Amino acid sequence: DTEVTQTPKHLVMGMTNKKSLKCEQHMGHRAMYWYKQKAKKPPELMFVYSYEKLSINESVPSRFSPECPNSSLLNLHLHALQPEDSALYLCASSPKQGANTEAFFGQGTRLTVV
Amino acid sequence: AQSVAQPEDQVNVAEGNPLTVKCTYSVSGNPYLFWYVQYPNRGLQFLLKYITGDNLVKGSYGFEAEFNKSQTSFHLKKPSALVSDSALYFCAVRAPWGNKLVFGAGTILRVKS
Repeated sequence: DTEVTQTPKHLVMGMTNKKSLKCEQHMGHRAMYWYKQKAKKPPELMFVYSYEKLSINESVPSRFSPECPNSSLLNLHLHALQPEDSALYLCASSPKQGANTEAFFGQGTRLTVV
Repeated sequence: AQSVAQPEDQVNVAEGNPLTVKCTYSVSGNPYLFWYVQYPNRGLQFLLKYITGDNLVKGSYGFEAEFNKSQTSFHLKKPSALVSDSALYFCAVRAPWGNKLVFGAGTILRVKS
């Protein structure tokens, strides 16, 4: 299994809602990532988890809250988002942090905040 | 800090012709370099990487890239373009000591039949 699976594929939420994005991989990777991507722009790193511990937070607003319940799962909890948070949210994984291997990306969750 | 430049916003190629998508990088030490492709409303797909060794790297779907240390470049190439190659291409670099993957701005490739 060489896939990173993200759910849901699409999400529309109001500014007062609470929702969660989910990411799952079964490749035994120990580093997992959240990226935010605006249309026709490069992905921007948000968070990195290494061995289920948060190792990088790129100064992301607290309305985004990551969670890594185990080595296969990565969640991104959303609360009180703004319309400008609308974007494609990508999850990725790699064998370990700092490894010279490629990251595998999921298909993304298209988030629209209304 | 590492950085990547993709000097062309868009590259237009006729089907069957060779294509080149340019990438230059800046990093201290020996870089880890990657190319990814993204189709509309999809995630990024890995194409190829350079870590060490042979400067010519072969990857998926007939793509290859040449690492040039003196010019700090890692251009993506394909001998014969297909219409289905039309997509958004990202070059990325990771410093050998770091975990952060830094992406270029991306280049739209349009292959016309």
